[in-house]
Amino acid sequence: DGGITQSPKYLFRKEGQNVTLSCEQNLNHDAMYWYRQDPGQGLRLIYYSQIVNDFQKGDIAEGYSVSREKKESFPLTVTSAQKNPTAFYLCASSVPGDSNQPQHFGDGTRLSIL
Amino acid sequence: AQSVTQLGSHVSVSEGALVLLRCNYSSSVPPYLFWYVQYPNQGLQLLLKYTTGATLVKGINGFEAEFKKSETSFHLTKPSAHMSDAAEYFCAVSYNTDKLIFGTGTRLQVFP
Repeated sequence: DGGITQSPKYLFRKEGQNVTLSCEQNLNHDAMYWYRQDPGQGLRLIYYSQIVNDFQKGDIAEGYSVSREKKESFPLTVTSAQKNPTAFYLCASSVPGDSNQPQHFGDGTRLSIL
Repeated sequence: AQSVTQLGSHVSVSEGALVLLRCNYSSSVPPYLFWYVQYPNQGLQLLLKYTTGATLVKGINGFEAEFKKSETSFHLTKPSAHMSDAAEYFCAVSYNTDKLIFGTGTRLQVFP
């Protein structure tokens, strides 16, 4: 079955450490997205990519970085500059240029601070 | 700025009762509209979407939503709640871009 795989499911970060969250999809979607979810705030867009080797900042990109070297993969790095990284992170993908197509989501990674 | 408002962060109903979750959007231009459901520690699953055509949209698990342009609303309903409907529900819109704008979510509790 096609889908989106996020790993790990739980991740712990020490102070001053960078951590990378993995997102892989086999839906053959060109567009991929990273969201941060905090209680009572819904989903906020961190970064998105509409094509390989290109990506754009979302609404809360500070303290995060991404790469898009392959169509299937869109890893997110939470850097030490992100002072409040504890959250649930969701990756999604979609067919770009067709805004009535829904985004498909992975099962998320929960990041906590040690 | 375009936004989505979900009235009521928590809604509680008895099993078998009507479920009504409210969603309003801010633009005068009708967007594409989506409802997603999220179970604990999982991602979001699409319930239904409105793009064009019939304003009453049927989705999975017996849910439906009606697009009302005059009220800028897209409320989600289900005639009879089931215990398995307990989850968080998100309304989202897009305006001819690939980006979705999400509401803050409504947590549905179902009591026996």
